[in-house]
Amino acid sequence: AQKVTQAQTEISVVEKEDVTLDCVYETRDTTYYLFWYKQPPSGELVFLIRRNSFDEQNEISGRYSWNFQKSTSSFNFTITASQVVDSAVYFCALKEVYGGFKTIFGAGTRLFVKA
Amino acid sequence: GAVVSQHPSWVICKSGTSVKIECRSLDFQATTMFWYRQFPKQSLMLMATSNEGSKATYEQGVEKDKFLINHASLTLSTLTVTSAHPEDSSFYICSAATGLGDNEQFFGPGTRLTVL
Repeated sequence: AQKVTQAQTEISVVEKEDVTLDCVYETRDTTYYLFWYKQPPSGELVFLIRRNSFDEQNEISGRYSWNFQKSTSSFNFTITASQVVDSAVYFCALKEVYGGFKTIFGAGTRLFVKA
Repeated sequence: GAVVSQHPSWVICKSGTSVKIECRSLDFQATTMFWYRQFPKQSLMLMATSNEGSKATYEQGVEKDKFLINHASLTLSTLTVTSAHPEDSSFYICSAATGLGDNEQFFGPGTRLTVL
């Protein structure tokens, strides 16, 4: 069965600090997709990134970067030079292609960035 | 990206009444729609998957007679919470995809249901 673990429930940092949000997943499928979403207080999910299981290249988008390592089944997310506007709940999610196409979410990590 | 809307954005109802939530894909045809429920400070839990024109597939533990899902067209799915009770108060989020195997899934803004 698929599973996503975000062990960090809450993280608090001071503005301009770097912060890494951890995500570990379990799946039996060889073909799957990994996602990160941001959920601000308004509740609407904001898509950040999608990664397929065959693409282990790390990605950088502005202050955001992602490290995908199949060997450790991890897909970690780093925010550099954090800002107050980064305060939100961040979800890691997994979608199996042959396992019913369901997207399963981790428990989420609540990030507080203090000025 | 594609846009998914939900209506209403929030609703308050009395215990025992039924509430209908609409999910629309505005600029694409959504063959598959998903309904999630999110309790405060918790994750999104998948309730059901629906394909246009067929019955929804419910996740284990979700009562299909209580949460009626209709996906009658390629742009509209509805979730009806029947005989709502305070424990049904939650944030309901739909998402839509062009196909079951599609890796892109677009989320609606959510509907906050409060049952008094």
